[in-house]
Amino acid sequence: DIHMTQSPSSVSASVGDTVTITCRASQDISSYLAWYQHKPGRAPKLLISVASNLQSGVPSRFSGRGSGTYFTLTISSLQPEDFATYYCQQVNTFPITFGQGTRLDIQ
Amino acid sequence: QLQLQESGPGLVKPSETLSLTCTVSGGSITTPNYYGGWIRQPPGQGLEWIGDISHSGSITYNPSLQSRVTISADTSKNQFSLKLNSVTAADTAVYYCARRGEGSGWSYADWGRGTLVTVSS
Repeated sequence: DIHMTQSPSSVSASVGDTVTITCRASQDISSYLAWYQHKPGRAPKLLISVASNLQSGVPSRFSGRGSGTYFTLTISSLQPEDFATYYCQQVNTFPITFGQGTRLDIQ
Repeated sequence: QLQLQESGPGLVKPSETLSLTCTVSGGSITTPNYYGGWIRQPPGQGLEWIGDISHSGSITYNPSLQSRVTISADTSKNQFSLKLNSVTAADTAVYYCARRGEGSGWSYADWGRGTLVTVSS
């Protein structure tokens, strides 16, 4: 299985800050990396697919980069609604695997 | 707009079989290049992929659950289903059905709201 490692596991930030979350794959996954936002009691929401493709309706303050084994999700100018848990996911190889999640809290 | 809705018992006894159904509306489960999948989240933990069924009925399971899980589809009802047998408390989780496809880079763009299944006697 491809192991996905996110860092940090949690981060505190303020409205207006910029935050970057990293995701490392244990093997080359090309660009088959997605980022999800997950809030309690709700379904995960796909933010970015194939490493950098912003999904329709997702604010442009979210951006993704990377390929191979190293990926980043950057959230610029944090808004109150951005405080949530973020997961990366590889869809290059079965079984599909997720990172352990990064919890973004209000400072 | 595509919608997915999980249904099934919220309480299952240990050693019994967990059965859930995902009803899809606003699109067909047989649309080429789409997969229906099941993902779960145990309390306080992260997301775990359970398995996928393709538009043509091809199925892939997470090896960690493969010996206990069955995913199937009923095209006449536009549904796909999950069965997990010999459940234990470790299978207590929110279970989500979701759909992924080529248009979303093979990522899960559409999700059900999730259903909590508790394994307890």
